[in-house]
Amino acid sequence: GAGVSQTPSNKVTEKGKYVELRCDPISGHTALYWYRQSLGQGPEFLIYFQGTGAADDSGLPNDRFFAVRPEGSVSTLKIQRTERGDSAVYLCASSPTSGISTGELFFGEGSRLTVL
Amino acid sequence: QKEVEQDPGPLSVPEGAIVSLNCTYSNSAFQYFMWYRQYSRKGPELLMYTYSSGNKEDGRFTAQVDKSSKYISLFIRDSQPSDSATYLCAMNKGNEKLTFGTGTRLTIIP
Repeated sequence: GAGVSQTPSNKVTEKGKYVELRCDPISGHTALYWYRQSLGQGPEFLIYFQGTGAADDSGLPNDRFFAVRPEGSVSTLKIQRTERGDSAVYLCASSPTSGISTGELFFGEGSRLTVL
Repeated sequence: QKEVEQDPGPLSVPEGAIVSLNCTYSNSAFQYFMWYRQYSRKGPELLMYTYSSGNKEDGRFTAQVDKSSKYISLFIRDSQPSDSATYLCAMNKGNEKLTFGTGTRLTIIP
């Protein structure tokens, strides 16, 4: 069966460039999450969508980061003016309704971003 | 200081041994506790989910929560080479934001 799909799997860009990372959640899952995982660290929360709306964006590090989910399915994480410190694996996860009741988030394999 | 502390390892044990993995946390607002397993270059997958102090068992895995000590553990019995992975503890405060530990890298030696 189809899991969470993330594209691209790898992205190398230069400092200052704009990047878009795409997440296709499991069909029918209303909750969608973005996390960032730096080397040797656990995932760090960025943003949570319930349907089309960002219910919690408190983890976005600054205004260079923005995420959308216009039709309540696919989501795009957008990073402007990339910096070397943005290099990490960006993980997307989805859940049928919310993650609280079961703790189960279904993660994709991530998009590995390298900023040179 | 991080809200969730986890020894990064690496930890190597022989096949068949019992593995003990632990996390401590500082904020008593954490209510729900999880253990995720992450294979190299893959996303984390949920192993165990608990919301109260005590033990929860699922096959070879046992999760233990001690809220009074702010300490959680995962035990793996009869460890297998296929258990070699990074184990992440995670917890939340009743909202949708998970706070993860650093992860412990485990290798089971055949």
